Amino acid sequence: AQSVTQLDSHVSVSEGTPVLLRCNYSSSYSPSLFWYVQHPNKGLQLLLKYTSAATLVKGINGFEAEFKKSETSFHLTKPSAHMSDAAEYFCVVSVGFSGGYNKLIFGAGTRLAVHP
Amino acid sequence: ETGVTQSPTHLIKTRGQQVTLRCSSQSGHNTVSWYQQALGQGPQFIFQYYREEENGRGNFPPRFSGLQFPNYSSELNVNALELDDSALYLCASSLSRSQETQYFGPGTRLLVL
Repeated sequence: AQSVTQLDSHVSVSEGTPVLLRCNYSSSYSPSLFWYVQHPNKGLQLLLKYTSAATLVKGINGFEAEFKKSETSFHLTKPSAHMSDAAEYFCVVSVGFSGGYNKLIFGAGTRLAVHP
Repeated sequence: ETGVTQSPTHLIKTRGQQVTLRCSSQSGHNTVSWYQQALGQGPQFIFQYYREEENGRGNFPPRFSGLQFPNYSSELNVNALELDDSALYLCASSLSRSQETQYFGPGTRLLVL
């Protein structure tokens, strides 16, 4: 069964320092992976997606993620954190079914705090 | 281009009541999925609708049901509400059922007392 595991429930960084949010995946084949962000009392916003075209994926707001098959990882990074980056981040895998539909399976989330 | 919209934004119900949540998909998207996000957890897939039919379902009881209309908007209905149904309900739309990228609305926060 496909799944994702977010290795940190909380990450705290200072403004201007790098951000690393870790995600490992489990899949029997090449997965489609996503990172979504959820600001307080808001819906989910797509940050970036990996669909096997390139292992380094660039997203919005300066975020990027690298797909590493050998490590089954898809970590999210940003060179310099901004106060507005404080939010909940979800690593997500898409699972396809024989009925022709896809569903998203979410990790438990990582809450990112950014301090001045 | 209009994004995914949901109504209402907040709702308070009592145990045993029924509730209907509404979702308008993004322009051009014919597939709608519903997710439940309990407090402090990641969203869980409820079901997906494509061309007015339920196209796939997660591990939710039959009292969770839905509809999709010809304009691709959708409703989520929950009967016999339980306290554990208190959650943020998220609607997501995609270009078609084979497209993996889903775009989410702001959600409806349901509180069951």
